[in-house]
Amino acid sequence: KAGVTQTPRYLIKTRGQQVTLSCSPISGHRSVSWYQQTPGQGLQFLFEYFSETQRNKGNFPGRFSGRQFSNSRSEMNVSTLELGDSALYLCASSLLGDDNEQFFGPGTRLTVL
Amino acid sequence: SQQGEEDPQALSIQEGENATMNCSYKTSINNLQWYRQNSGRGLVHLILIRSNEREKHSGRLRVTLDTSKKSSSLLITASRAADTASYFCATDANAQFPSGTSYGKLTFGQGTILTVHP
Repeated sequence: KAGVTQTPRYLIKTRGQQVTLSCSPISGHRSVSWYQQTPGQGLQFLFEYFSETQRNKGNFPGRFSGRQFSNSRSEMNVSTLELGDSALYLCASSLLGDDNEQFFGPGTRLTVL
Repeated sequence: SQQGEEDPQALSIQEGENATMNCSYKTSINNLQWYRQNSGRGLVHLILIRSNEREKHSGRLRVTLDTSKKSSSLLITASRAADTASYFCATDANAQFPSGTSYGKLTFGQGTILTVHP
C-alpha cells in the first residue's frame, strides 16, 4: 500500500506571497492532520480534516488554512507569507482519526525569503 | 506548547549497545506513540502503546508506559548505525478531556537525537 505523499517537496517563496501544499493520504484513510516543524518550536499541530470537515485546529493565525476533498486528499494554504513560516510542513493520515495512529509523509520544506 | 519532555536530549553510543530514551507528559492520554525522523525528513511510525498497556515489543524495540508517573521509555536493543536519527514521543490526549479536541492531534516532545557510532 502506498504511503502518504506530499507535493511539492521543496518550495522557495518571498514574503507576502501565498503557498499551497498538497497531501495524499494512505488509501482508505479518511483523517488528515497537518503539522509545522521548526527548530525553535518543534512539531506543532496545525489542523485536522475528516470527511471534508475541519474537526480540530491548533493555535495558528488565520493565514493558515486548509481543506479536504472527497477523495480525502488535503491541501493547506498559507497566505501573506512571513519569514517565520519557513519550516518543514508534515501531513499525516489516519484511518479514522479517533485513536490517532498517524502515518506521516516526507514533508514539504518551505523557505520564505 | 509541547506536552512531552524527552530525556536525554542527545545520546551517543556504539553499535551493539542498547539505547534508552525517556518521555514524560502532562495530561491524561489515550495512547502514546514513538516516531523516528532522519535528518529533517518525514516521521516514521515505530510503535503505539495504549493507556491500558504497560509494555510492548516490536523487533528490537521495547516500549513501556507508566500512566501513574505519566512517563514512557523506548529501548532499542543491539543498536546499529542505521538507527541514527531523532526519536520523538507523541501523545494523543484523552478525547474526553477536554471533549473532542484531540481529533487528529498528536502532541510531540522535543525529541532525542541518537547517534550510533559504527
